[in-house]
This record gives sequence, structure tokens and C-alpha cells, in this order.
Amino acid sequence: AQSVTQPDIHITVSEGASLELRCNYSYGATPYLFWYVQSPGQGLQLLLKYFSGDTLVQGIKGFEAEFKRSQSSFNLRKPSVHWSDAAEYFCAVGANFGNEKLTFGTGTRLTIIP
Amino acid sequence: NAGVTQTPKFQVLKTGQSMTLQCAQDMNHNSMYWYRQDPGMGLRLIYYSASEGTTDKGEVPNGYNVSRLNKREFSLRLESAAPSQTSVYFCASRRSLGSNQPQHFGDGTRLSIL
Repeated sequence: AQSVTQPDIHITVSEGASLELRCNYSYGATPYLFWYVQSPGQGLQLLLKYFSGDTLVQGIKGFEAEFKRSQSSFNLRKPSVHWSDAAEYFCAVGANFGNEKLTFGTGTRLTIIP
Repeated sequence: NAGVTQTPKFQVLKTGQSMTLQCAQDMNHNSMYWYRQDPGMGLRLIYYSASEGTTDKGEVPNGYNVSRLNKREFSLRLESAAPSQTSVYFCASRRSLGSNQPQHFGDGTRLSIL
């Protein structure tokens, strides 16, 4: 069975500082990986996705993520955060064949301080 | 461009009452999903519908029923609400089966069972 771990429940960073949110997955083959962002009172918005090919993927709002098979990780990064990036971030993994199940991590809440 | 629309946005019920949560998408997507989101647990799949006329159980289906009314609409019914069903419910859709396609989410229904 696939699973996702987001080890950081809450992260606080200063505006303008760099950001890295951690995501580790468990799956027997190459997974499909996603990062979603949820602003308060809103649904989830897709930031980026990885299916195959280049292991560094670019997303919206200046985010990027790197797939590292050896570490079973798909960490989300941003060079310089803005106050509007404060939100909850979810990593998700899907199987790469005939499987509807998309498994979400428990989320990381990001707080930005001035 | 509405995307995925959920109604109502908020609801308070008494234990034992019934209720139907509505979801509609205007993206001509084939697959639709219902999730619940609870603190510290991420999103868990309740039911999904791969296409019009089909529904399948997800991870936590007990206490719920669903109806895929047509291609656009997918409703979630609580026949006899219980306090354990207090949660935020999200509907999602995607173009078709296949975990390599992102899901698009509604803004959620916040449901409290007293």
C-alpha cells in the first residue's frame, strides 16, 4: 500500500527566506507525486506534479519540487517566500497503474512572519 | 469558470438527522470523488465515481452513500448523522481514470454534528 509522510506539522519562516517542505513516500514502483496548497477556507489547489522524466519539476507561484528515488522523497522548495504563501501544504502520491487511490499526507502548515 | 461547486458551504446537524451534500463540476470530467478532511489526518477518500453510472468505496465509506446523478453531479448522503462525521468534506473531479491526472477540488462543506 502506498503512504505519504510529511514530518513537519508546522513551519514558520520569515518573509523573503527560503523554504523547503519535506515529503517522503512509500510505494513499490515509480509513483505519481503531487503537491497541493490549501488556503484557509478554500479547497486544494494543485501546485505541481511529477510523473516521469526530469526529476526537478516547476510549479505555479514560484514553487519547485525534486523527486529523489533513492531517498523516496519529493520535497517542495521556494527560494523566497511571500506573506501570501501562508497556507497548508499537502503532498500526495498515486499509483502508476489502474488505481484510483490518491493518498495524501497529513499536511504542513506554513506561517510567514514579517 | 466555476470548476467544482459544493453546496452548502456550512451546515450544522443534530445526531440522527439526514443530509445530502451536493457537488457539481463544469469541466466535463468523468471521475468524481468525495473526501473528508480531519485535523492531523489529511484527506481520506470516502467514495468515488469513475464514470457516470458507477460508484466505488474508498478508504472510509461507512455511514455514507453516494449518487452519481449525471456526468456533472455527484452527491454524498449521510442517512443518520453521527458526531464522528463532523468534518470538512471535499468534492473533487478529474478528467478520467488514471492517477497521473490531477484532481480539481471544490471549496468544501464544513459539517458539524451535535
